Amino acid sequence: AQKITQTQPGMFVQEKEAVTLDCTYDTSDQSYGLFWYKQPSSGEMIFLIYQGSYDEQNATEGRYSLNFQKARKSANLVISASQLGDSAMYFCAMRSNNAGNMLTFGGGTRLMVKP
Amino acid sequence: EAQVTQNPRYLITVTGKKLTVTCSQNMNHEYMSWYRQDPGLGLRQIYYSMNVEVTDKGDVPEGYKVSRKEKRNFPLILESPSPNQTSLYFCASRISQGPNSPLHFGNGTRLTVT
Repeated sequence: AQKITQTQPGMFVQEKEAVTLDCTYDTSDQSYGLFWYKQPSSGEMIFLIYQGSYDEQNATEGRYSLNFQKARKSANLVISASQLGDSAMYFCAMRSNNAGNMLTFGGGTRLMVKP
Repeated sequence: EAQVTQNPRYLITVTGKKLTVTCSQNMNHEYMSWYRQDPGLGLRQIYYSMNVEVTDKGDVPEGYKVSRKEKRNFPLILESPSPNQTSLYFCASRISQGPNSPLHFGNGTRLTVT
């Protein structure tokens, strides 16, 4: 069974500063993918970034980067230069071939950006 | 515009009254799934479908039914809703090929069962 853990229920960050949202995962599979989604107060789920287990470089998408540490089974999301619009819930998720390709989500972290 | 469309956005019903939440995608995706979101629990998968006429249970299938008669549609059926099914529901789809294909989500359906 695969499991995703997000240990930070809520976080504050000052506008324009960087913030790291933690995500650890547990799986016995060698091949898997890690995803981050953003859920603003309006409720929709927005895909942010993807990291494959065999990718040698950390994924980056604009202000988002993924700090992937395979040996520690962590896939932390780093948001640089925080903006007020970054205030939202953030979910880490994992999919592996041996788990029927099901996407398993963590409990989420609520990020609040202070002006 | 490529999208997943769910209807309705909000639904209030009473215990035992059958309801259907519709989901349609226009991206020709093979894979579709339903999730429910509850505070502190994240999103949990209810059912998924790898292709037409192929459906499988997710983590929390009890009390729900689905069907996949057409590639684009994947309705969620609650035959006899109960208050513990009050939740925010998401339909999602993706292409089956490629491990990095992300799920595309609908805007959600907030269901209240009294």
